[in-house]
Amino acid sequence: NAGVTQTPKFQVLKTGQSMTLQCAQDMNHEYMSWYRQDPGMGLRLIHYSVGAGITDQGEVPNGYNVSRSTTEDFPLRLLSAAPSQTSVYFCASNPRLAGVDTQYFGPGTRLTVL
Amino acid sequence: AQSVTQLGSHVSVSEGALVLLRCNYSSSVPPYLFWYVQYPNQGLQLLLKYTTGATLVKGINGFEAEFKKSETSFHLTKPSAHMSDAAEYFCAVSISFGNEKLTFGTGTRLTIIP
Repeated sequence: NAGVTQTPKFQVLKTGQSMTLQCAQDMNHEYMSWYRQDPGMGLRLIHYSVGAGITDQGEVPNGYNVSRSTTEDFPLRLLSAAPSQTSVYFCASNPRLAGVDTQYFGPGTRLTVL
Repeated sequence: AQSVTQLGSHVSVSEGALVLLRCNYSSSVPPYLFWYVQYPNQGLQLLLKYTTGATLVKGINGFEAEFKKSETSFHLTKPSAHMSDAAEYFCAVSISFGNEKLTFGTGTRLTIIP
């Protein structure tokens, strides 16, 4: 298994541009989540999904959209990038099986918005 | 709502000395508690977790943590620090079974002095 994969690893955008951060997992996990990591603030939940076709907002959802058309993929869309969205983004998945409650994190995408 | 406070954004210990990283939580319901480690330019890796049962939890790499409900604490310890322990450590809490909604602390960067 490749686990949780994220692309790209690095990205530079100009203010107002749009882009999609890709996240995929090959472990057939039901739950997937997106977090952003900023210095001195830890990780904050952006959006999450408890299964295909179901998404919900986390702590900091503004400026981001998600969809979950398949179990494997959970892309994060920035519709109009702003400098405040400069951050490291992590995708995570969770099998949500009885007795198993561990989140598996991807390697992250480092995004800079100029 | 739940929250996590990590005391000390930076901790330095000598190689071979005790490692103690502090975490206090706030939760209106019985929490699930986690410690994650992040090595430079990598994603997060689970060190250990508390869900129910035994309050002293052992994790990977010789780390352990004790859940103390009366003190609302979940401090991370290791008897003897190793150079390879240098990393950033995050405490996290969840109140949902699937743990798709983790609330993280702001992190503690551990430096090991040779």
